[in-house]
Amino acid sequence: GAGVSQSPRYKVAKRGQDVALRCDPISGHVSLFWYQQALGQGPEFLTYFQNEAQLDKSGLPSDRFFAERPEGSVSTLKIQRTQQEDSAVYLCASSYGSGSAGGELFFGEGSRLTVL
Amino acid sequence: SQQGEEDPQALSIQEGENATMNCSYKTSINNLQWYRQNSGRGLVHLILIRSNEREKHSGRLRVTLDTSKKSSSLLITASRAADTASYFCATIGGGGTSYGKLTFGQGTILTVHP
Repeated sequence: GAGVSQSPRYKVAKRGQDVALRCDPISGHVSLFWYQQALGQGPEFLTYFQNEAQLDKSGLPSDRFFAERPEGSVSTLKIQRTQQEDSAVYLCASSYGSGSAGGELFFGEGSRLTVL
Repeated sequence: SQQGEEDPQALSIQEGENATMNCSYKTSINNLQWYRQNSGRGLVHLILIRSNEREKHSGRLRVTLDTSKKSSSLLITASRAADTASYFCATIGGGGTSYGKLTFGQGTILTVHP
């Protein structure tokens, strides 16, 4: 597709359930980022992939959060044993390059997770 | 953690007026970007200014950067109701960041009344 695609758009989970959020980046984009956005706040960095390599996972809030990008394209963010504080919008973004100069990130529409 | 602060947190203006939003950051940067987010949607890139640039224009947008004060401003001229959205500044750190990780501010909610 033309843009970054995320699914599901909305997910309601009971506390303790596991969830998986999918991101399909723009074809050919090397870099992939996951961000978490709480209501009324700016996005906060979770993790970064360069192709299939997870080079930075410093923003993952706990070991219940796990992300993968096994073939360097589609990525999945998994949250185990969800807690109410995990309720947020999870944004995926991709970019063509991977250099330190940085450039524009292309964001998906986000997956809104509500934990009851 | 958030890189910096945006000011004001909310701005309400009439169509046709100009809107100015400010952003401050804490560490050295490689570049600074502004993004727009409509309610319930993803972020859309607006403009990028590099650390060695002081001003940049794109259509009705004007961005300034003052690295000595660690601040930036976004000016939207002749605003339209369709400009209603949240606006975020984001920085890419200087000094050795090996990839384009963006750190976002808290955002400014802009409402433009028809």
